Amino acid sequence: GQQVMQIPQYQHVQEGEDFTTYCNSSTTLSNIQWYKQRPGGHPVFLIQLVKSGEVKKQKRLTFQFGEAKKNSSLHITATQTTDVGTYFCAGPLVSNYKLTFGKGTLLTVNP
Amino acid sequence: NAGVTQTPKFQVLKTGQSMTLQCAQDMNHEYMSWYRQDPGMGLRLIHYSVGAGITDQGEVPNGYNVSRSTTEDFPLRLLSAAPSQTSVYFCASSAGSNYGYTFGSGTRLTVV
Repeated sequence: GQQVMQIPQYQHVQEGEDFTTYCNSSTTLSNIQWYKQRPGGHPVFLIQLVKSGEVKKQKRLTFQFGEAKKNSSLHITATQTTDVGTYFCAGPLVSNYKLTFGKGTLLTVNP
Repeated sequence: NAGVTQTPKFQVLKTGQSMTLQCAQDMNHEYMSWYRQDPGMGLRLIHYSVGAGITDQGEVPNGYNVSRSTTEDFPLRLLSAAPSQTSVYFCASSAGSNYGYTFGSGTRLTVV
């Protein structure tokens, strides 16, 4: 079936190292969203990408949407302990009303 | 402005019992959704609504019912609880397909 896949499932880094998580869809997406969930918390919306090849930055976070609108990435420069959590991508696979989430990438940061 | 409010935060049910998870939002959002989160499975869509009186099934709807009589409220009913429904349930709302979802703080449900 149609799905959104994320890799890696886990990533452990030393504080100050960079981190990247990748998201791939089985179908072309009209947009892709990224969320962050802190341990024990709820998902928090980070950003939405809409245009082919779009790149957006939020401080140390860089989000990209692929040219074919089937893949996306989130890159964190110089990780901090506050970046710990699970990062999810999500896209409307079947319809604009049904947001399908990837399984997420759990980031842990060693201080 | 409370955002999305879910009650209760924790619940233990016996197999076969029924209950309703409450969800309310005060942002006048048209879209509302229920997700369940299980270890290693990410967030899976149970039911969703695009406005009052309109609901539809998500990825894992069996064993759950929803209704949307008002814009603000979107309760999730468990008809006859089963241990497989042990999970964390999140309600979320959005202003539309061009906007992100705001999530509630979740309900941790255990069925014994």
